[in-house]
Amino acid sequence: DQQVKQNSPSLSVQEGRISILNCDYTNSMFDYFLWYKKYPAEGPTFLISISSIKDKNEDGRFTVFLNKSAKHLSLHIVPSQPGDSAVYFCAASRGKLIFGQGTELSVKP
Amino acid sequence: GAVVSQHPSWVICKSGTSVKIECRSLDFQATTMFWYRQFPKQSLMLMATSNEGSKATYEQGVEKDKFLINHASLTLSTLTVTSAHPEDSSFYICSARDAGALSSSYEQYFGPGTRLTVT
Repeated sequence: DQQVKQNSPSLSVQEGRISILNCDYTNSMFDYFLWYKKYPAEGPTFLISISSIKDKNEDGRFTVFLNKSAKHLSLHIVPSQPGDSAVYFCAASRGKLIFGQGTELSVKP
Repeated sequence: GAVVSQHPSWVICKSGTSVKIECRSLDFQATTMFWYRQFPKQSLMLMATSNEGSKATYEQGVEKDKFLINHASLTLSTLTVTSAHPEDSSFYICSARDAGALSSSYEQYFGPGTRLTVT
């Protein structure tokens, strides 16, 4: 039972454009949602989070949007930079973290 | 920021042997640590939650006798893969929750991971 899903395994974006990564969840009891960036053979690094009572949180180039009625969240990166190329995981929290499958973002110069 | 280390970063062992992986919180105390495993191109799967001074809580389908977890201090948790087999080859990642954080805090700090290869 995959409670957190990232349906796009990969995304390719041109440098300077917007990257939009999507995530869907099934459990309405999740209270926080987080995005992590991960390089191969390394642990995830925290990017940005959002409480379930909010619908938007912004931190520099990163903005997370939460649509509770649709059980959907998205991460917007603008402008995208080549250094953003990595695997991005969304995670939902209810005491413990449940991760999505990840989306590999490639930002081309 | 909070730093979590893991040792070793990679290990190769023969089938049937046991391997111990250490997870340390370097600049904070962690009453709770988590152990995950990740197969190539797949999600991080929570294996168990480790609480200092008490028994670990294992997720469904994870064999507690095979994956022994010890959380003997506020800065160290260990995962021992006993009688390892090739199918145990994976990337193991730990995370820690700051004991000084609010009880409702969701934040976890991740270690760099340990690559285990069983031959």
